[in-house]
Amino acid sequence: QVQLQESGPGLVKPSETLSLTCAVSDYPISSTYWWGWIRQPPGKGLEWIGSIYHSGITSYNPSLKSRVTISVDTSKNQFSLKLSSVTATDTAVYYCVRGRAADYWGQGTLVTVSS
Amino acid sequence: EIVLTQSPASLSLSPGERATLSCRASHSVSNYLAWYQQKPGQAPRLLIYDTSNRAAGIPGRFSGSGSGTDFTLTISSLEPEDFAVYYCQQRSTWPLTFGGGTKVEIK
Repeated sequence: QVQLQESGPGLVKPSETLSLTCAVSDYPISSTYWWGWIRQPPGKGLEWIGSIYHSGITSYNPSLKSRVTISVDTSKNQFSLKLSSVTATDTAVYYCVRGRAADYWGQGTLVTVSS
Repeated sequence: EIVLTQSPASLSLSPGERATLSCRASHSVSNYLAWYQQKPGQAPRLLIYDTSNRAAGIPGRFSGSGSGTDFTLTISSLEPEDFAVYYCQQRSTWPLTFGGGTKVEIK
């Protein structure tokens, strides 16, 4: 059973960089599939942030592209998200997922942007 | 960017009734349309991918149809655990996009 687990700070100050890691278990991240990040502000809908292929090819949401970096570490079987210059509007539950039709999801981690 | 519009925004039905949820795309997504179910406090769960393929472990009462720009998720007979929010999502074109969701409530 494939498992994804997000980790990272739950509180980030405005203007700083949000950093999250997704550890993948029981499936080699270097195999087929894109790996992605999706977020959900409290009480709102889902927003795709970006995805990465094991080769390092990335695709980002244009609305976030200038602030987002997604990277992959195949040796640790994990991938990461960095979102710079955060504001309160970046407060959300952040999910890591497998695939462009996301068949496996992490449990999600709430990141609050506040001073 | 492909915009997905879901209707209705909410649906009030009784257990045993049939639910029909719509998702309309601003441009053709071919058959690359997925449906997710989300319950409060939980991550979304993939129900249907590529318009009509049920994901692993999804009961047969869930079915998807459509093509191009118009898609439908049907729940043939609502069970108590089916009351949730449903999202459609396209993977035809970057950026991937989601619809705004349909909330299926107990009447």
